[in-house]
Amino acid sequence: QKEVEQNSGPLSVPEGAIASLNCTYSDRVSQSFFWYRQYSGKSPELIMSIYSNGDKEDGRFTAQLNKASQYVSLLIRDSQPSDSATYLCAVNGRGSTLGRLYFGRGTQLTVWP
Amino acid sequence: GAVVSQHPSWVICKSGTSVKIECRSLDFQATTMFWYRQFPKQSLMLMATSNEGSKATYEQGVEKDKFLINHASLTLSTLTVTSAHPEDSSFYICSAPRGRRGYTFGSGTRLTVV
Repeated sequence: QKEVEQNSGPLSVPEGAIASLNCTYSDRVSQSFFWYRQYSGKSPELIMSIYSNGDKEDGRFTAQLNKASQYVSLLIRDSQPSDSATYLCAVNGRGSTLGRLYFGRGTQLTVWP
Repeated sequence: GAVVSQHPSWVICKSGTSVKIECRSLDFQATTMFWYRQFPKQSLMLMATSNEGSKATYEQGVEKDKFLINHASLTLSTLTVTSAHPEDSSFYICSAPRGRRGYTFGSGTRLTVV
């Protein structure tokens, strides 16, 4: 079983702060990495995908990937109460873009006004 | 964008009965569909992978005779929970891979077995 580990949380930050979410994975051949946001009772929605080492920015979100350290993170700048959700790190297996996803347990984020 | 329509959104059934969950890809062909189960406060756990026109592949520990998967067309995959019991109560989610575009998830089905 491939392992995807996330910082346990819960994480609580004030509105406007930076929220930092971390994830490590065990399978070195993994090539595709995803961050999903999941509100309670809803299915996950894609926030960011990243495939190459380095940073990828999309609005207030920045994903960082370090394949040598098998580490991927998500930074949320100017956090808003609407960002309060569980964030799931997902890694696809066997290096295929069509392969199954392995999910971490999720980090619950609360942004308080 | 690509949409996977999942129905029903929620269902309550009596113990011992069967429940069918459908996932339809609305604007693309889904040759593969992943079926996940999520218990409260836990992450998504893959149950099985269905492929159009062939038998599903089940993860270790998942009973294939209890969780019947059918993927008879490129736009429809179904999961039938047979002889459901209270411990099968969970949130079931389907997901179709979209290559570099990631994965499209259905909206999920909340199953409660009483």
